[in-house]
Amino acid sequence: KQEVTQIPAALSVPEGENLVLNCSFTDSAIYNLQWFRQDPGKGLTSLLLIQSSQREQTSGRLNASLDKSSGRSTLYIAASQPGDSATYLCAVRPSNDYKLSFGAGTTVTVRA
Amino acid sequence: EAGVAQSPRYKIIEKRQSVAFWCNPISGHATLYWYQQILGQGPKLLIQFQNNGVVDDSQLPKDRFSAERLKGVDSTLKIQPAKLEDSAVYLCASSRWDTGTGSNEQFFGPGTRLTVL
Repeated sequence: KQEVTQIPAALSVPEGENLVLNCSFTDSAIYNLQWFRQDPGKGLTSLLLIQSSQREQTSGRLNASLDKSSGRSTLYIAASQPGDSATYLCAVRPSNDYKLSFGAGTTVTVRA
Repeated sequence: EAGVAQSPRYKIIEKRQSVAFWCNPISGHATLYWYQQILGQGPKLLIQFQNNGVVDDSQLPKDRFSAERLKGVDSTLKIQPAKLEDSAVYLCASSRWDTGTGSNEQFFGPGTRLTVL
């Protein structure tokens, strides 16, 4: 059974600092990995999706890397802003199923 | 394109009452998912539909939860009777197979926050 872990559970940084969010998974037989953002009381917004054959994906200030062999993905957010405050979740799709396994998320607070 | 729609956004009920949630997926998305997200945890898949057929309901508490997608578009999730531990956000998501990228990316609705007193 796939286990997805996100550490730390919460993170507080001053505005302008770069953010590094970690996601680890136990089974390397994945199809893709997705990073989501969740604002309080809201649904999930997809940020980046990395296929198993890819090493990284970039969108604006966001960059996500994937190392399947070590079971790790990292989401980098450059020059953080107060508007980046949210909970960030990673989800792994196994190679033989459509079911996503989610981490519990990292709650980020960017202080102005 | 319009996103995944869900209603109601919030619901408060007493234990042993029944409740129903509605989801309208993105047009053309054949796959529909219902997730339960308890506070402080990641979403957990309850049921997955492909068109109007159930693909996976292994984590659905079938003694009290039911879901249907009769015409392969909208879906309804019902809880009867509700328990205190059912308090959570219920998320609906939809996806379609992208033949270009080989991706089956899921898009989520805003969720329904259920409080059981």
